[in-house]
Parts: sequence; structure tokens; C-alpha cells
Amino acid sequence: NAGVTQTPKFQVLKTGQSMTLQCAQDMNHEYMSWYRQDPGMGLRLIHYSVGAGITDQGEVPNGYNVSRSTTEDFPLRLELAAPSQTSVYFCASSSLSGRAYNEQFFGPGTRLTVL
Amino acid sequence: AQKVTQAQTEISVVEKEDVTLDCVYETRDTTYYLFWYKQPPSGELVFLIRRNSFDEQNEISGRYSWNFQKSTSSFNFTITASQVVDSAVYFCALSDQRNAGNMLTFGGGTRLMVKP
Repeated sequence: NAGVTQTPKFQVLKTGQSMTLQCAQDMNHEYMSWYRQDPGMGLRLIHYSVGAGITDQGEVPNGYNVSRSTTEDFPLRLELAAPSQTSVYFCASSSLSGRAYNEQFFGPGTRLTVL
Repeated sequence: AQKVTQAQTEISVVEKEDVTLDCVYETRDTTYYLFWYKQPPSGELVFLIRRNSFDEQNEISGRYSWNFQKSTSSFNFTITASQVVDSAVYFCALSDQRNAGNMLTFGGGTRLMVKP
């Protein structure tokens, strides 16, 4: 199993450009999410999904769009990139097993710089 | 609302010193989960430990130990005889019972620098 994969690993954008951060998992997990990591603020939840066709907002959703057309993929779209979106982005997945606890699996991260 | 506070933003120690990273949390839930993650300079997140709110036993794993105290809403992490390889950013995180670990609230992180 590859686990959670993210592409690209690094990206530099100019203000106003758009791009999609890719996230894929091969563990058949229902739950997927995106976090951004900023210095001193830890990781904050952007969007999450509990299954194909279902997405919802997290703590900091503004400026980001997501879609979930398959169980495996959960791309994060920046339509008009802004310098405030310079951050490290982590994708995570986990099962919705109904058990008391479900382990989160994190991707390796994407470092995005918006100039 | 949940909140995790790591008051120490940066700690610097000399190798072989013991160091404790503090974590204080807030939640209204009676059942919840607490976590520690390590982020080495390479950038990935490494899971260290999960603790259930109903299990207040302290845990030791090699040079690592964790002190969970519900009375003070704290979940502190101690590294004994620190090593240069322990240099990293450490995150404390919280998940409530409803989310069952699927959604995590992170603290701001503590950067630990271990000097030789």
C-alpha cells in the first residue's frame, strides 16, 4: 500500500493563479481531510469529506474548494491564489468504521508558496 | 469548542538533558482522545502516542514518557536523555468522541532543538 500520497511536493504560484493539490489514498478510507500548517498555529482543518460526493467545511475553508468524486481522491483547489495561502498542506485519511477510534494517516505534505 | 495550547513555542536543550513539552487542552466532552505527533526537519508527521480520556495511566516508551492529568487538563510529554535526533516540532492534538479520531484539533507546536 502506498498509503496517502500528495502531489506536488513543492509549488510556487503567483498571486491570482489557480492550481489543484492532489491527494490520493489506497486504503479504501471513507474519511479524507485537508489541513494547512502555519508557524505557531499548528495544523488547521480546511475541508473534509465523509465519502464520495460529500464534503464539508472545516475551520479555515475560505479560498479553497474541494470535491470528492471517488473514494480514493480528494483534490484541493485554489482558484485565486493569495500570499496568505502560503503554507504547508497535509492531506489525511481514516476509516469511518463505527469503532470508538479511527487512526489518521497523513500524507507527506505539499509546500506551497504564493508570491 | 475544543482548544489545545502548547505554551512553549521553542525549547533549546543540550544533549542528554531531560525535557518536558507541555500541552493543555479544553473540551466539553467527557470522552476524547489526545495525541502527540513529531515533525522532523524532513516535514512528515510521525504519530507518537494516543491516549483515551478514560485511561489516566502514564505511559513510558523507551526515552519517551507521557503524563496525562485530567484534573489539570494536561497531557505532557517528557524526553529523557535527549538526543540530537529528537530535534523536531512536536504537536499535541485532541479529538472528541463524536469524531472518533477522524477530526483533530492541533496545538501550535513546540520546536525542540537539541544541541550536541
